[in-house]
Amino acid sequence: DTEVTQTPKHLVMGMTNKKSLKCEQHMGHRAMYWYKQKAKKPPELMFVYSYEKLSINESVPSRFSPECPNSSLLNLHLHALQPEDSALYLCASSQAERGRWNTEAFFGQGTRLTVV
Amino acid sequence: GNSVTQMEGPVTLSEEAFLTINCTYTATGYPSLFWYVQYPGEGLQLLLKATKADDKGSNKGFEATYRKETTSFHLEKGSVQVSDSAVYFCALSDQDNQGGKLIFGQGTELSVKP
Repeated sequence: DTEVTQTPKHLVMGMTNKKSLKCEQHMGHRAMYWYKQKAKKPPELMFVYSYEKLSINESVPSRFSPECPNSSLLNLHLHALQPEDSALYLCASSQAERGRWNTEAFFGQGTRLTVV
Repeated sequence: GNSVTQMEGPVTLSEEAFLTINCTYTATGYPSLFWYVQYPGEGLQLLLKATKADDKGSNKGFEATYRKETTSFHLEKGSVQVSDSAVYFCALSDQDNQGGKLIFGQGTELSVKP
C-alpha cells in the first residue's frame, strides 16, 4: 500500500476563516511533507517532519501552521490566508531518515484550496 | 547547489509516437533520480526511479537511465498513448540533503493526440 490520503479534496475559504488540511499515511514512513503547487509549476516544499518533529520550515508565513499529532497524521492549519495562497496543497511521505535521505516520496491527491 | 533542468513543453505527439523528455541535473552528493507524473486534477505519482549510476528505471513502458558521465536522466517511451497525456517532473533527492527534500525540474506537459 503506497497510499497517502488527503482531505478535503477541495476547499473554499474566506480570508478571515480558520480551516485545516489533513493527511494520513499507513506505510510506516517517518518523514512527512507539505508542498504547495501553483498551476503549471513544480511543487514547492513548505515543511518537513521527521519522527514527528518539525525539521524544515522553508520560511513559510505564520498563517500556515503545521502539526504532526502522530506518526501517521499530518495537519496544516490555515488562518487569515490571502487570495495568492490559492493553490494545490500536497502532502507526501517517505522513508527518508538520517543516513538515508535520498529516497522517493509518495504523494497524496492534494487539496485544491481557493481563498476568496 | 542541487538543481534539475528539464526540456520545456508543451510537447505534442501523435499516438504511437516515440517520446523523449530530457532531464539533466547538478548535485554535490550522490543523488537518487526520479520521474513523477501528474495527471490533470491529481497529485504526483512516482513513475520510476534510479538510485545509482547506470541504473535503469522502468514502469508502464517508460524507461530512464541514470547517466553520471552526462548528469542526465532522460525519460523515454517507445509508443505513447492518449492516456499518457500529463505533466512529467524529473526530480532528485540527495544523500546530503537532510530531510529528504525533493528538487524538481520545471515540468514538461505532454499532450498525445489520437
